[in-house]
Amino acid sequence: QVQLQESGPGLVKPSETLSLTCTVSGASISLYYWSWIRQAPGKGLEWIGYIYKSGDTKYNPSLKSRVTISADTSKSQFSLKLRSVTAADTAVYFCAREGIAAAGNFDSWGQGILATVSS
Amino acid sequence: EVVLTQSPVILSLSPGERATLSCRASQSVTSSYLAWYQQKPGQAPRLLIYSASRRATGIPDRFSGSGSGTEYTLTISRLEPEDFAVYYCQQYGDFLFTFGPGTKVDI
Repeated sequence: QVQLQESGPGLVKPSETLSLTCTVSGASISLYYWSWIRQAPGKGLEWIGYIYKSGDTKYNPSLKSRVTISADTSKSQFSLKLRSVTAADTAVYFCAREGIAAAGNFDSWGQGILATVSS
Repeated sequence: EVVLTQSPVILSLSPGERATLSCRASQSVTSSYLAWYQQKPGQAPRLLIYSASRRATGIPDRFSGSGSGTEYTLTISRLEPEDFAVYYCQQYGDFLFTFGPGTKVDI
């Protein structure tokens, strides 16, 4: 059974870079699509981007200029970097795996980590 | 970008009642790429339905999905106490995933 766990600093200063890591167990990150999704407090879900086969990436156009997703297969981890953050980037950040029964959905999620942007 | 609209915003029902949730897309969505999630406070979303009508592993058969094109529906045949939560639809197309704003099923 796949498990995902987000980690990283819970507090980031405005204009700095938010860096989060997702550690995966029970599945190879060299397979499947691995995504970051966020949820601002009291709001809906926003897909940030994915990485596939540890290299191919796609990003939400609304965030593309500020986002980088990368992977470290030796550690079974993939990471998110979001640059030039503002208060609007305060959210719970989830990592997730795209479904294996069918594409286009997310069948496994981490518990989420709250990242707050504040000075 | 495909915009998803969900209705109603809040659905107030009692245990044992039937819930019908709607998801409308701004343009036609491939049904293979339409999913529904349940989210409870402080938890990650849980996949309920994928490919518009297929139940995910471990999901009770009181949950069902239907629809095509721009109109999709999630039905909960008889609400159990643990079903009171927020439900999101989600679609994938043109290398972009988008979610609806959610429907809260409330007691």
